[in-house]
Amino acid sequence: GQNIDQPTEMTATEGAIVQINCTYQTSGFNGLFWYQQHAGEAPTFLSYNVLDGLEEKGRFSSFLSRSKGYSYLLLKELQMKDSASYLCAPQDSNYQLIWGAGTKLIIKP
Amino acid sequence: IAGITQAPTSQILAAGRRMTLRCTQDMRHNAMYWYRQDLGLGLRLIHYSNTAGTTGKGEVPDGYSVSRANTDDFPLTLASAVPSQTSVYFCASSESSGNTGELFFGEGSRLTVL
Repeated sequence: GQNIDQPTEMTATEGAIVQINCTYQTSGFNGLFWYQQHAGEAPTFLSYNVLDGLEEKGRFSSFLSRSKGYSYLLLKELQMKDSASYLCAPQDSNYQLIWGAGTKLIIKP
Repeated sequence: IAGITQAPTSQILAAGRRMTLRCTQDMRHNAMYWYRQDLGLGLRLIHYSNTAGTTGKGEVPDGYSVSRANTDDFPLTLASAVPSQTSVYFCASSESSGNTGELFFGEGSRLTVL
């Protein structure tokens, strides 16, 4: 079956760095997305990885290892507005996104 | 720029009633999707449409129907609502289905079935 595993909740301090891990098993693979979702709002796109390695975009970076079925999202210089849920979503062989339950990130001053 | 518009944003509904959630996009995207999001679970795909005139079943289609008469509109209908359909419903679109493009989401429709 298809399965996504990511921590339910994480806490970090403003200005620090946090890494949110995601492991996945899917029927085929066509890349992996990370989305951010603030409470009561719609998910918004953060990053997309299809090749192994690190993709950097400002304060956010995303890493993929296809052989290990593993990805992480790295957030640097944390700000209070980064308090949100982060959704890991690999894309299967039919290009359908398989969604994890998300990691709720709490930023403390 | 509107993107994707969903209506209503919130609704309380008696069990057994029929309900249609509306979704309209102005990006001329070919693919559209309906998801439901429940606490502790990931987004689950209800139905999708790869292009106008076609629809397909997702992971949790039972109790729901969709239509795609044109590119812009993708309504979701609950023929006879049940309490287990209490959820937040998100409509989304992408340029096409068979690629790796990002999804754009509407703001969601919060439905409570009593």
